[in-house]
Amino acid sequence: AQSVTQLDSQVPVFEEAPVELRCNYSSSVSVYLFWYVQYPNQGLQLLLKYLSGSTLVKGINGFEAEFNKSQTSFHLRKPSVHISDTAEYFCAVTFTGTASKLTFGTGTRLQVTL
Amino acid sequence: DGGITQSPKYLFRKEGQNVTLSCEQNLNHDAMYWYRQDPGQGLRLIYYSQIVNDFQKGDIAEGYSVSREKKESFPLTVTSAQKNPTAFYLCASWFSGSELYGYTFGSGTRLTVV
Repeated sequence: AQSVTQLDSQVPVFEEAPVELRCNYSSSVSVYLFWYVQYPNQGLQLLLKYLSGSTLVKGINGFEAEFNKSQTSFHLRKPSVHISDTAEYFCAVTFTGTASKLTFGTGTRLQVTL
Repeated sequence: DGGITQSPKYLFRKEGQNVTLSCEQNLNHDAMYWYRQDPGQGLRLIYYSQIVNDFQKGDIAEGYSVSREKKESFPLTVTSAQKNPTAFYLCASWFSGSELYGYTFGSGTRLTVV
């Protein structure tokens, strides 16, 4: 079965500092990878996705992620965070053969402070 | 604008009652999904449907039921057999295409047992 591990349940960071949220997945076949953001009491919004091609993916709100097949990782980064980035972030994976059935990680709470 | 509408936003259930959560989409997406979200556990798949009049159990289907009589609608019933129904419920639909692979989420329903 496919699985996703988000190693950090909470990440505190000061405003304007860089941040990296870690995501590792288990798979021996090709995958599609996603990062979603959730603000309190809201649904999930797609930040970025990796389907194929360039391993460096750029998303909305200045976020980017790098797909590393050898390390089965898809870490999310932002060079300078803002207070408004405070939210829950979820990594998700689907095997290309199973198309739409996404498996989510347990989430990382990003807390940005002044 | 197209999207997914979940209602109600907040729902209170008494012990032993069945309740139905509504999910409607006007995106013309074929596949629809129900996820349950609990703190620290990420999103877990309850049921999904890839075409009208057909649906499959997800990872935690016990105590839940669904129907898919129309493409636009995928209601979820939380039955009295669900022993711990207090959670945040998210509905999603899936689209595919070279640039648009991913889920669209509704804004969620928070169910509380009183």
